[in-house]
Amino acid sequence: RKEVEQDPGPFNVPEGATVAFNCTYSNSASQSFFWYRQDCRKEPKLLMSVYSSGNEDGRFTAQLNRASQYISLLIRDSKLSDSATYLCVVSLNQAGTALIFGKGTTLSVSS
Amino acid sequence: EPEVTQTPSHQVTQMGQEVILRCVPISNHLYFYWYRQILGQKVEFLVSFYNNEISEKSEIFDDQFSVERPDGSNFTLKIRSTKLEDSAMYFCASSGSALDEQYFGPGTRLTVT
Repeated sequence: RKEVEQDPGPFNVPEGATVAFNCTYSNSASQSFFWYRQDCRKEPKLLMSVYSSGNEDGRFTAQLNRASQYISLLIRDSKLSDSATYLCVVSLNQAGTALIFGKGTTLSVSS
Repeated sequence: EPEVTQTPSHQVTQMGQEVILRCVPISNHLYFYWYRQILGQKVEFLVSFYNNEISEKSEIFDDQFSVERPDGSNFTLKIRSTKLEDSAMYFCASSGSALDEQYFGPGTRLTVT
């Protein structure tokens, strides 16, 4: 199974900063794309799905470039509560399909 | 809000012993998954299960592993003879359909000594 690669991090930013995470995936057959958030020693939780047209959810904006096999996540106006590990995830989108996770990028927002 | 639950939260076992990790998926979900995360590493897919059979499994899911849905609510992962390298957090997940969001349980931390 091919890989999902992410910025190694960690990212240390002050409150209010804008931060961007990048991710590349190697399997061109991937059909679904996600950003998950994982707090320390907790389960992954879906932050947002990523669509080809790009999508926004409040302070979070996700972009997908299928030609480059590249996914991004932009967080504006960072909050202390945004501190977590952000996981780039792809799926082949077949029945019962596996989620393929990147190793994650850790974000630490400080006051 | 419905959630996936897992028991126990932490299991310590000796090498060579059998362990069973238990999960209760969200009640109307039809697809069930197990993932694991070794400390400091990425989340890795183990197996998916639908309609009482395995639909996909990874290279990690060898003959030492098995899954079962013994009744209408539980979904279990059995490791027959644990190895030190099986020490990890094991996450159960479920989804309503193949294309729906997968909801993760809080995990079981397995420590093999």
